[in-house]
Amino acid sequence: KAGVTQTPRYLIKTRGQQVTLSCSPISGHRSVSWYQQTPGQGLQFLFEYFSETQRNKGNFPGRFSGRQFSNSRSEMNVSTLELGDSALYLCASSLGGTGGSDEQFFGPGTRLTVL
Amino acid sequence: AQKVTQAQTEISVVEKEDVTLDCVYETRDTTYYLFWYKQPPSGELVFLIRRNSFDEQNEISGRYSWNFQKSTSSFNFTITASQVVDSAVYFCALSESRFGNEKLTFGTGTRLTIIP
Repeated sequence: KAGVTQTPRYLIKTRGQQVTLSCSPISGHRSVSWYQQTPGQGLQFLFEYFSETQRNKGNFPGRFSGRQFSNSRSEMNVSTLELGDSALYLCASSLGGTGGSDEQFFGPGTRLTVL
Repeated sequence: AQKVTQAQTEISVVEKEDVTLDCVYETRDTTYYLFWYKQPPSGELVFLIRRNSFDEQNEISGRYSWNFQKSTSSFNFTITASQVVDSAVYFCALSESRFGNEKLTFGTGTRLTIIP
């Protein structure tokens, strides 16, 4: 069974640009969550999508947005990039059912560098 | 508010020693889940264990064991007879049903180095 895949693995952008990251969950998983990991703030929850709907959201500015497609693949977009957006962006997928916390499987991450 | 504290920033032990990683959490929920993840240098988070708030039984999996104590809000992780391959950053995390079970709040991580 293929794991969670994220593309691209590495990305370099300049301030003011926008970027789109992609995440393909494990087959059959309907929930996709995104996390930002930085040395200063650690791992922080961005948002979660389930059946194409944002089900939960962290405390990030509106420049960070996402969406999920009918095949459960998800994209994350960051507009007007700032230096502080340099981070490892991790995607996690799970079955997403209610009634219990499913195990989340993480992808290898996208390393974004903003210059 | 929900919070996870991993007070140990870095730990180094000699191979074959036992090591315990501490995790203390705060939550107002009565239903919650606790997790441990391992992050090797490759960066991918590897799931180790999930525990729900109603199950305080300790768990052992090979050289790994976990001690969950609601009375002290702790969920500690012990590696017995450590090996070099155990070197990684370990994260403790909490999810609460009121925020949707997929939202994980992570601790700051403990970097474990096993010295050969």
